[in-house]
Amino acid sequence: GAVVSQHPSRVICKSGTSVKIECRSLDFQATTMFWYRQFPKQSLMLMATSNEGSKATYEQGVEKDKFLINHASLTLSTLTVTSAHPEDSSFYICSAEQGAEAFFGQGTRLTVV
Amino acid sequence: AQSVTQPDIHITVSEGASLELRCNYSYGATPYLFWYVQSPGQGLQLLLKYFSGDTLVQGIKGFEAEFKRSQSSFNLRKPSVHWSDAAEYFCAVGGGYQKVTFGTGTKLQVIP
Repeated sequence: GAVVSQHPSRVICKSGTSVKIECRSLDFQATTMFWYRQFPKQSLMLMATSNEGSKATYEQGVEKDKFLINHASLTLSTLTVTSAHPEDSSFYICSAEQGAEAFFGQGTRLTVV
Repeated sequence: AQSVTQPDIHITVSEGASLELRCNYSYGATPYLFWYVQSPGQGLQLLLKYFSGDTLVQGIKGFEAEFKRSQSSFNLRKPSVHWSDAAEYFCAVGGGYQKVTFGTGTKLQVIP
């Protein structure tokens, strides 16, 4: 199956700093990628849909100025958590679709201290 | 709006016993259905998927699932559970360039 690579897998940052997470489709092109957030012991919640060459579509309640998404190419989408705070600590997962199937990255564990 | 319900938050089974994880969905059209497994601190691994055709689908690691339209269900089964199957399992609906909606997950514990 298709491969989606997410980097970094773990990151610890200081409160107030920004963190960028990359999501790459390694062997296929993805015009659409999705970003999810998973709170401890909960399911994945869709944050936003990343569209190549256009603005991301954010789900209700997700702050677009805090979670900046850029989808500059058909194989790369980035999520930047700006001015991170401890409450932003979470597990973030991206996915890209090939045909009707979604392929997920391995996730990024963000810890803000 | 599409939704997925996994009624069992936590299931414990003995190694070698059979397993069935329940999943009910709500979707406006013929759904694309998925089961994923997540080990602690890891991403998601696709176990199996249903798009169309045969309603009994086979997946990896000996898992299978049956799509029952009349019951809006897509239950996951395995005839004999191994200790390595302990993980969290997510049922999902969507795809096809529509967002994927996940259930709340079922945590599987396997006892020797």
